[in-house]
Amino acid sequence: GAGVSQSPSNKVTEKGKDVELRCDPISGHTALYWYRQSLGQGLEFLIYFQGNSAPDKSGLPSDRFSAERTGGSVSTLTIQRTQQEDSAVYLCASSLPGRVQYGYTFGSGTRLTVV
Amino acid sequence: TQLLEQSPQFLSIQEGENLTVYCNSSSVFSSLQWYRQEPGEGPVLLVTVVTGGEVKKLKRLTFQFGDARKDSSLHITAAQPGDTGLYLCAGVSGTYKYIFGTGTRLKVLA
Repeated sequence: GAGVSQSPSNKVTEKGKDVELRCDPISGHTALYWYRQSLGQGLEFLIYFQGNSAPDKSGLPSDRFSAERTGGSVSTLTIQRTQQEDSAVYLCASSLPGRVQYGYTFGSGTRLTVV
Repeated sequence: TQLLEQSPQFLSIQEGENLTVYCNSSSVFSSLQWYRQEPGEGPVLLVTVVTGGEVKKLKRLTFQFGDARKDSSLHITAAQPGDTGLYLCAGVSGTYKYIFGTGTRLKVLA
């Protein structure tokens, strides 16, 4: 597509439930990233995909967080047994491989609220 | 752990004033970028600086990369309400990952 698409844009869930967040990157962008942003602050790196593999998962905060990418395109970030501290905006970005110096293109994010 | 500290955290100014936002780190970055984020949207890239001492201008915005490539500044001349937003610096760590700064929230009052 023309831009990075994320869905849903907003998600309210009860504590303890599982949630899935979806990211559809720009066509041809094999690099995909997930970041988390709390309270309008800076971005916290979660995971990096190159194609379908995730060579860097170092930012995932706990084993309740997982992500996958299929067909080198759509990615899903799953949070199991959600906690209130998981409330944040989850941002997805994509870029061409080897073009990191040209910056990421971000989606509009999914605002997750755990009640 | 690489950190990027931005200052000030919050800035509220009148239209027409000038301002400078700083981005500092103890780490060296191969390149550094500035993004602007508006409510409900993802960050949008403004500029990339690569060479130590480099200065880039984007209309009323001037970006500078420190000589040692550890810090950067963003200067806005004659700020306008449309400049309102969250400004983020980001340093390239390795070959693929950005480390983002803590952010500066700017509000320009008409």
